[in-house]
Amino acid sequence: KAGVTQTPRYLIKTRGQQVTLSCSPISGHRSVSWYQQTPGQGLQFLFEYFSETQRNKGNFPGRFSGRQFSNSRSEMNVSTLELGDSALYLCASSLVVSVAGFFGYTFGSGTRLTVV
Amino acid sequence: TQLLEQSPQFLSIQEGENLTVYCNSSSVFSSLQWYRQEPGEGPVLLVTVVTGGEVKKLKRLTFQFGDARKDSSLHITAAQPGDTGLYLCAGVDTNAGKSTFGDGTTLTVKP
Repeated sequence: KAGVTQTPRYLIKTRGQQVTLSCSPISGHRSVSWYQQTPGQGLQFLFEYFSETQRNKGNFPGRFSGRQFSNSRSEMNVSTLELGDSALYLCASSLVVSVAGFFGYTFGSGTRLTVV
Repeated sequence: TQLLEQSPQFLSIQEGENLTVYCNSSSVFSSLQWYRQEPGEGPVLLVTVVTGGEVKKLKRLTFQFGDARKDSSLHITAAQPGDTGLYLCAGVDTNAGKSTFGDGTTLTVKP
């Protein structure tokens, strides 16, 4: 079965611009999470969407936003880009995250964003 | 805030050697996962451990979850160059709907 697809793979933007990243989860996975990975901070949780609703959010400024569509595809948007936003942005899909258990993420290959 | 500390941060060994990577926290997790990440790719799930004291084996890899579900270890026997990568542990908080990742252990296995 197809894995998690993230587009684009690489992106170079200028400070102040905005960017939209896309993620198509594994078919049947309704939960989509986004993480930012940097050498200094590791993987930091951005947010999680389920059935088009943001259920959980990490400690990132409001410039970071996302949404999920009815087909479970998700996008994240970063406005007013700063140099510190340069990172690998990872999308992860999973079966339902519930108190009954958590089956682990399937990650995409990520989008490498460079802000200059 | 739940934190996970991994040690060592870097490990460079010769092919055939054994190694252990540790993942420690002061928090209790619903479950814990180990991932391996190669450069330019996303992490790949290796195992999920759920029960305190649980031991899982995956070929040459042995994973253990602490009795109190606060820590875990990954032991690799007879390491091979193909084991090279970044090993990440992740503690699952199902109530918060997210995983907290450790900073990772970068393993290099030299032929």
